[in-house]
Amino acid sequence: EPEVTQTPSHQVTQMGQEVILRCVPISNHLYFYWYRQILGQKVEFLVSFYNNEISEKSEIFDDQFSVERPDGSNFTLKIRSTKLEDSAMYFCASRGQQNTGELFFGEGSRLTVL
Amino acid sequence: DAKTTQPNSMESNEEEPVHLPCNHSTISGTDYIHWYRQLPSQGPEYVIHGLTSNVNNRMASLAIAEDRKSSTLILHRATLRDAAVYYCILRSNFGNEKLTFGTGTRLTIIP
Repeated sequence: EPEVTQTPSHQVTQMGQEVILRCVPISNHLYFYWYRQILGQKVEFLVSFYNNEISEKSEIFDDQFSVERPDGSNFTLKIRSTKLEDSAMYFCASRGQQNTGELFFGEGSRLTVL
Repeated sequence: DAKTTQPNSMESNEEEPVHLPCNHSTISGTDYIHWYRQLPSQGPEYVIHGLTSNVNNRMASLAIAEDRKSSTLILHRATLRDAAVYYCILRSNFGNEKLTFGTGTRLTIIP
């Protein structure tokens, strides 16, 4: 069964460092998303991406965040200068053409900022 | 976003059916009812979705009230692997609308 894969599974970084989280969505999917989940809290929407541009972003997705689909297969989330409060699980998701279609989520990347 | 209301937690015995309720009294005509679940330490996983008619798939059944203001996710025979947080989410079929997760129902399965 096709799946969304994310790397790394866990990253530890120092505050102020740049972090790139990588995702390989399902190959024929067109819509891509990043969500995050702080420990013990809700899954929160960060950003959606379609046709090589951001469709929608939340208030969390400020100037420190960026997304890119550099090569037609990877979908990356970059945090320019990490803060302690960026520590969370980050989930990538993708879906196909159908508007009512399901989102497929990856297993997540755990980011720990020290 | 149209809001849903779910119980914070439920318990069920293993191998018995589970009925997870969701209220969505402000649902609009274009909103589909989606259910996702999140097993411990995993990403959310699609379960089922529907618009007006009841739906069945290999994982579960979705019963939708005639006025669409509530729905029930039915797990026909719960196993320990079904212990998870279950999210009922409304999502319009227009455009690229995101999924907005609430706090969901934490389902505990008793062996």
